[in-house]
Amino acid sequence: AQKVTQAQTEISVVEKEDVTLDCVYETRDTTYYLFWYKQPPSGELVFLIRRNSFDEQNEISGRYSWNFQKSTSSFNFTITASQVVDSAVYFCALSGHQGGSEKLVFGKGTKLTVNP
Amino acid sequence: NAGVTQTPKFQVLKTGQSMTLQCAQDMNHEYMSWYRQDPGMGLRLIHYSVGAGITDQGEVPNGYNVSRSTTEDFPLRLLSAAPSQTSVYFCASSHTRETEAFFGQGTRLTVV
Repeated sequence: AQKVTQAQTEISVVEKEDVTLDCVYETRDTTYYLFWYKQPPSGELVFLIRRNSFDEQNEISGRYSWNFQKSTSSFNFTITASQVVDSAVYFCALSGHQGGSEKLVFGKGTKLTVNP
Repeated sequence: NAGVTQTPKFQVLKTGQSMTLQCAQDMNHEYMSWYRQDPGMGLRLIHYSVGAGITDQGEVPNGYNVSRSTTEDFPLRLLSAAPSQTSVYFCASSHTRETEAFFGQGTRLTVV
């Protein structure tokens, strides 16, 4: 079965702090895809990044960085020098193919609050 | 390009009523899916489709039906609404399960 665990339900930081959001996944697939999405208070879901299982290179995009480690089945997301606008719920997601089914499943999300 | 369009945005139903949530995309995406979002539960997959004429169940399919007669449309039907179906519903589409998903704005459904 596919499963995504985001153990941190809520995180609160002060502006300019660095913060890491954890994501641990389970799958029997050898080929799978991992995603992060952001849901700001306005409610829409915004795509942040996609990573396939064969690409373990870490990625940096501005203040955002992602650390993919197959050995620990983790795909963690770090925001450097957090800002109030980063306040949102962040979802990690996994897409795999098992037993003829192709599902994109999400974790329960981590609510990040950045205080001024 | 409208992207993914969901209607309605808000709906109140009485227990036992039926309704259809509409979802349409204009990006020629093959993969479409419905999720419900409840506090503390994240996004849970209801049903999904990998192409016209093909649908499959997700994690929480009971009480919901779907069909995919065209590439563009993927309606979600509530057959007999129950208070437990009070939720925010999101429709999503992508080229395949491997690519970025685009989401509709959501439908906030209340069943009383």
